[in-house]
Amino acid sequence: DTGVSQDPRHKITKRGQNVTFRCDPISEHNRLYWYRQTLGQGPEFLTYFQNEAQLEKSRLLSDRFSAERPKGSFSTLEIQRTEQGDSAMYLCASSLSQGGNYGYTFGSGTRLTVV
Amino acid sequence: GENVEQHPSTLSVQEGDSAVIKCTYSDSASNYFPWYKQELGKGPQLIIDIRSNVGEKKDQRIAVTLNKTAKHFSLHITETQPEDSAVYFCAASRMNRDDKIIFGKGTRLHILP
Repeated sequence: DTGVSQDPRHKITKRGQNVTFRCDPISEHNRLYWYRQTLGQGPEFLTYFQNEAQLEKSRLLSDRFSAERPKGSFSTLEIQRTEQGDSAMYLCASSLSQGGNYGYTFGSGTRLTVV
Repeated sequence: GENVEQHPSTLSVQEGDSAVIKCTYSDSASNYFPWYKQELGKGPQLIIDIRSNVGEKKDQRIAVTLNKTAKHFSLHITETQPEDSAVYFCAASRMNRDDKIIFGKGTRLHILP
């Protein structure tokens, strides 16, 4: 297993366009998280899944954002009608919610630039 | 909800000296405190964590301390090396309660030659 994979690494889009990011977690991990990180800040929680169920969404996640994890494996994060304020690094992480090991493994992120 | 404050925002130390980063948290129910290191162009990487039933934990040159009463926790790096230069994040969570990790704003550590 090569860890958490995110695709694409970079995305430049025009304001108003829709974008979709993909995350492939570590295969045996049942939890998957999406965070957003802007320059000079720590990661901010957006949403998380346990298997295919989306258990929590942050107030940061406006109606233009939607996330899915259809079969409890990979996940997608879609942003509709992008705005310049959406420019950030979008990080995905996964973890195993049992066995006493709570640490997240993060991917390298997708850097979104809205022009 | 949980709020994690971290300081300093930037820290420069001579190679071989020690570095200390301090954090406070607001939610007394938080019971898991990980530290992450982020290098340029990469995602955060877990370097050490501590749970609320332990006051101190050490792993080679890094150690973490936790004061539950004061809601403070700290990261100590001894004998710093150039590869320690990175951004470090403290975080807090209420694990076992299906809660997410809340991060501080980070400390940029520079190791000076």
